[in-house]
Amino acid sequence: EAQVTQNPRYLITVTGKKLTVTCSQNMNHEYMSWYRQDPGLGLRQIYYSMNVEVTDKGDVPEGYKVSRKEKRNFPLILESPSPNQTSLYFCASGSSYEQYFGPGTRLTVT
Amino acid sequence: TQLLEQSPQFLSIQEGENLTVYCNSSSVFSSLQWYRQEPGEGPVLLVTVVTGGEVKKLKRLTFQFGDARKDSSLHITAAQPGDTGLYLCAGTSNTGFQKLVFGTGTRLLVSP
Repeated sequence: EAQVTQNPRYLITVTGKKLTVTCSQNMNHEYMSWYRQDPGLGLRQIYYSMNVEVTDKGDVPEGYKVSRKEKRNFPLILESPSPNQTSLYFCASGSSYEQYFGPGTRLTVT
Repeated sequence: TQLLEQSPQFLSIQEGENLTVYCNSSSVFSSLQWYRQEPGEGPVLLVTVVTGGEVKKLKRLTFQFGDARKDSSLHITAAQPGDTGLYLCAGTSNTGFQKLVFGTGTRLLVSP
């Protein structure tokens, strides 16, 4: 089954404790992207990747890192999470014309 | 930063009614996409429009891209409870970069 998977689905952590949210796709897509979704602000792009080793900032990249060492994986790294990064995170793959989203990761930073 | 404004933000209607959701911007987009998102899930692509003036139909849903590629609309005919969800438009930047900008969303509730 063609899909985008994210792990974990739910995470509660404390300020400053490094964490990684994994994202994997099995559709051989070159384009992958991370978003955060917040009430009243909608979906905002954090980072995107056009291909392996090619990444670029979206609209809200501060406090996040990404890497694209393999085509299928695009992890999101929070080196020192803060409470304002509490949000619902989505990974997506496809192209800028059509994207397939993962199920989401609900992150709470206390 | 390119912005996409959707209206209305909320819409509560009875089954069988028609409705239109609007997605507007002052910027030109190379394409416009519409997604539907249900609680606890990721957005699901409904359609992509790429040509100014383009109209696409998906069963009871009709999507239109404005002639100037700055706006789009989604019209639902004879809405059903299964249409309930958050509708999101998203535009691909016209600057040559592959950034995607999402609208603020329209939350639709269709009651039986």
